[in-house]
Formats: sequence, C-alpha cells, structure tokens
Amino acid sequence: DGGITQSPKYLFRKEGQNVTLSCEQNLNHDAMYWYRQDPGQGLRLIYYSQIVNDFQKGDIAEGYSVSREKKESFPLTVTSAQKNPTAFYLCASSIDGGAGANVLTFGAGSRLTVL
Amino acid sequence: GQNIDQPTEMTATEGAIVQINCTYQTSGFNGLFWYQQHAGEAPTFLSYNVLDGLEEKGRFSSFLSRSKGYSYLLLKELQMKDSASYLCAVMDSNYQLIWGAGTKLIIKP
Repeated sequence: DGGITQSPKYLFRKEGQNVTLSCEQNLNHDAMYWYRQDPGQGLRLIYYSQIVNDFQKGDIAEGYSVSREKKESFPLTVTSAQKNPTAFYLCASSIDGGAGANVLTFGAGSRLTVL
Repeated sequence: GQNIDQPTEMTATEGAIVQINCTYQTSGFNGLFWYQQHAGEAPTFLSYNVLDGLEEKGRFSSFLSRSKGYSYLLLKELQMKDSASYLCAVMDSNYQLIWGAGTKLIIKP
C-alpha cells in the first residue's frame, strides 16, 4: 500500500542536541511538507519542497533544516537553535505543490519531547 | 492578517446530526479543505470546496459561501468512530494552506 512513513513515532531529546525526523513516501508525489502541530493551534508550515533538490521556508523555519536529495525522502532536522521544539511533527505529500484540489496525504506523525 | 475560526469543542449524541462551522479571512481564496484527525494520528482528507454550495459525500457534507467567508461540515447519523478533531484549511492567493486550530468532536452514546 502506498503511503507516508514517519519515524520515530516518539523521540526524547536533551537540550542542546540536534535530532532528525525521517519521512519517506512511496506515492510518487512531487511535493512534500513538514508541519508542526501544537495544542490549540492550527498546523504551521516549517518547510516544503516541490521538487528534488529544492525546498522553501515556511512560516516557522527558524531552528529547523531539511534536505530533498531523493523524491521519496524529506528528513527534518530539529536543531538546538529551535527554542521550543516539543511538539507533534507531521510530514505530508501531495501530487504537486500547485493550485486546485491539492490534497495532502499525511504521515502518522512524530512526537518530540525535549527533556 | 489571515485567520480561520472554528469552535474549539463540540459534543453530540450517537445517531444525531452535527454541524461544524468554519469562518475565514484570508488573502484571496483558492479552495477550502476539511480534514479529520483522530487523537495522535494523521489527518485524513474529507472534502474540498471551491465553488459556493453543498458537496455531499455519504454521511458527510460540506458547504461553502465565499461571499460570507463561511463553511460548514455536516455529519449525519453520527457514530462513535466520528469522535475526532475536524480541521478546516483555506488555500490563499499564494496557494498556501492556512489552518484553523480544529474542532474536537465528542460523541456520546
């Protein structure tokens, strides 16, 4: 079955450490996204990529980094510069990043807790 | 600024009907989406509206009024499995999605 796989599902990090969240899709989608979800707030876009080897900052990119070396993979690194990284992180993909009914398919999420 | 408003929480009874409202103020409009998200899980796509009117899909229907900046999601014949959060999102003039905070729907037997 096609879908998006995120790992790990749960991750604990000490302050000052960088962590990388994995996101892999086998849907042959061109566009991929990283969102952050906090209680009582809407999803906030961290980074997105519409094509391999290209990505754009979203609304809250500070303290995060990404790469898109392969179409299937879009890992997110949460760096020590991110002041409040404890959150639920969602990876998503879509056929392309264009207009119209650009339906997102989401992964199951990764919950990061900073100790 | 851009804003999406939804009620934080709603409660309904199994077998009943519930309407979840979403109002928006965005820079342009290129469609409105509804997603369902069970606790701790991935959001899943429910509906997309770009023209005014009602779109029906089984027990779920979604309505849009662009002039009023208003949409609602109507859930009929509620089942316990419908207990979830319902997320409203609008695509703005830059084709970026603006998300509401979600409405947590609690279904009671």
